[in-house]
Amino acid sequence: SQTIHQWPATLVQPVGSPLSLECTVEGTSNPNLYWYRQAAGRGLQLLFYSVGIGQISSEVPQNLSASRPQDRQFILSSKKLLLSDSGFYLCAWSMTGTETQYFGPGTRLLVL
Amino acid sequence: GNSVTQMEGPVTLSEEAFLTINCTYTATGYPSLFWYVQYPGEGLQLLLKATKADDKGSNKGFEATYRKETTSFHLEKGSVQVSDSAVYFCALSGASGAGSYQLTFGKGTKLSVIP
Repeated sequence: SQTIHQWPATLVQPVGSPLSLECTVEGTSNPNLYWYRQAAGRGLQLLFYSVGIGQISSEVPQNLSASRPQDRQFILSSKKLLLSDSGFYLCAWSMTGTETQYFGPGTRLLVL
Repeated sequence: GNSVTQMEGPVTLSEEAFLTINCTYTATGYPSLFWYVQYPGEGLQLLLKATKADDKGSNKGFEATYRKETTSFHLEKGSVQVSDSAVYFCALSGASGAGSYQLTFGKGTKLSVIP
């Protein structure tokens, strides 16, 4: 069966520091991968998605970036965090050509 | 563009009460519709889905019917339990090209069930 992992689970970072969140999927090949942000009291905002290694589509212009160095690895990064980057970050995967997405446990980021 | 509107929460019910969470959508074409559930501190779990008009998705006692004529996908459960306390998200899918689909989510409805 497929599983999706995210780490770290919780992160507290100062403003201006860099960020690296990692997501990995097991038990499937060539998944579509997604990064979402869930801000307090708001819905989910799609940040990036990827259909293959090195292929990244950005939905929202911001100081975040994403990379996919391996087939089942998706990384969310920032060079300098802002206070507004605080939130709950969720990674998701889907099989190519299918609509259902499966979510990881999330990373809670607090920028101080 | 696509959009999903859910009823505002929070919703507080007594155990064994009947639950309805309203969801309406705006979309081009014929999207698939989903309900996801998020328990405190966790990621989202797929609760149920429906892929075409008049389909009924069901899981764990929850049901939702894809109503094309009213563009709705309301979530129902006949008798809620304390363990159903969570945030519920309605979502629809839209093709984004290259074999991938994007989900558009509602803002979520927080349900609290009291004993």
